[in-house]
Amino acid sequence: GAVVSQHPSRVICKSGTSVKIECRSLDFQATTMFWYRQFPKQSLMLMATSNEGSKATYEQGVEKDKFLINHASLTLSTLTVTSAHPEDSSFYICSAPARWGQTGTEAFFGQGTRLTVV
Amino acid sequence: AQKITQTQPGMFVQEKEAVTLDCTYDTSDPSYGLFWYKQPSSGEMIFLIYQGSYDQQNATEGRYSLNFQKARKSANLVISASQLGDSAMYFCAMREDMDTGRRALTFGSGTRLQVQP
Repeated sequence: GAVVSQHPSRVICKSGTSVKIECRSLDFQATTMFWYRQFPKQSLMLMATSNEGSKATYEQGVEKDKFLINHASLTLSTLTVTSAHPEDSSFYICSAPARWGQTGTEAFFGQGTRLTVV
Repeated sequence: AQKITQTQPGMFVQEKEAVTLDCTYDTSDPSYGLFWYKQPSSGEMIFLIYQGSYDQQNATEGRYSLNFQKARKSANLVISASQLGDSAMYFCAMREDMDTGRRALTFGSGTRLQVQP
């Protein structure tokens, strides 16, 4: 079945460096990818929506220059956390929407990336 | 205003008993979908069950059933015969504008379920 593969699953980086997170859709083409952030013991909050071939749409309060999103192809979307700070430490997870009528009619989630900035 | 409300931060249930996790939602869109996801400590999101706004019958998937009361805008998850492996965080979520399938899910705050032996 359709799968979204997200890498890395866990990353520790130094403050001030950049980290790239990749989400690949396997066996299907994802023209849209949603990026969520989840702080400990909290819900998933939508950060941005990436669309293949066009600029990403960011939710209110999310810094575009800090969270760079690129949807270079129909199977790859990337999130780059630039100049990371400890407050960016969080769980990041991507999701490709399911088409209406698709089996299960569910969104396909990546495995998530636990980012720790030290 | 909150679109998805889960009023139970934590729930305990005895093994083999049934448990109901509450969820209410708010939308003016006639076409929407309601989802329940399980999130174990690993962080992965595991899809459990889906209910469409036009579905006449309550959804069921094995031990999971969704008590859909459209007029009350509630979509409670019922887990029957709880197992120790059911201990996890449970999120209720909604997608509006289901016809296009391009809207993101909106999640509730979650309920942490602990199954006791």
